[in-house]
Amino acid sequence: GQNIDQPTEMTATEGAIVQINCTYQTSGFNGLFWYQQHAGEAPTFLSYNVLDGLEEKGRFSSFLSRSKGYSYLLLKELQMKDSASYLCAVKDSNYQLIWGAGTKLIIKP
Amino acid sequence: IAGITQAPTSQILAAGRRMTLRCTQDMRHNAMYWYRQDLGLGLRLIHYSNTAGTTGKGEVPDGYSVSRANTDDFPLTLASAVPSQTSVYFCASSETSGTTGELFFGEGSRLTVL
Repeated sequence: GQNIDQPTEMTATEGAIVQINCTYQTSGFNGLFWYQQHAGEAPTFLSYNVLDGLEEKGRFSSFLSRSKGYSYLLLKELQMKDSASYLCAVKDSNYQLIWGAGTKLIIKP
Repeated sequence: IAGITQAPTSQILAAGRRMTLRCTQDMRHNAMYWYRQDLGLGLRLIHYSNTAGTTGKGEVPDGYSVSRANTDDFPLTLASAVPSQTSVYFCASSETSGTTGELFFGEGSRLTVL
């Protein structure tokens, strides 16, 4: 079966750096997405990786290793507003998105 | 800028009743999707439409139906609601259904079936 694994919850301190990991086992691979979802709100797009390596976008970076079935989202200079759930999703060989359950990130002052 | 509009925002429904969740987008996106989100689970695809006039079944289609009469509207109907359909429902769209199709989500419809 297809599976996306990410930690359920993480805690970090304001101003620090946090890395949220995602491992996947899917039938085929056509890209990996990260979305941010604040409590009670809709998910919003953060990043997309289809080739191995690091994609940097401001304070957020996303890394992909296709051979290892692994990605991480790196958040730098954490702010209180970064408290949210972070969803990892992979497009499989049929271009269907398979979603992880999300990682709830708690930022403490 | 509206993006995707869902209605109702929240609804309590008696089991056995019929319910339609509305979804309208103003971005002229070809592809639209309905997901449900339950605590501890990832978003699960119910139905999708790659273009107006076509629909397809997702991971959890049973008990739900959709139609796509035009580009903008993609309603989701529960023919006879059951308590297991209590969930938050998100409508989403993307420019295409292809590889790099970033999804844009509506604000969600919280449905409780008693």
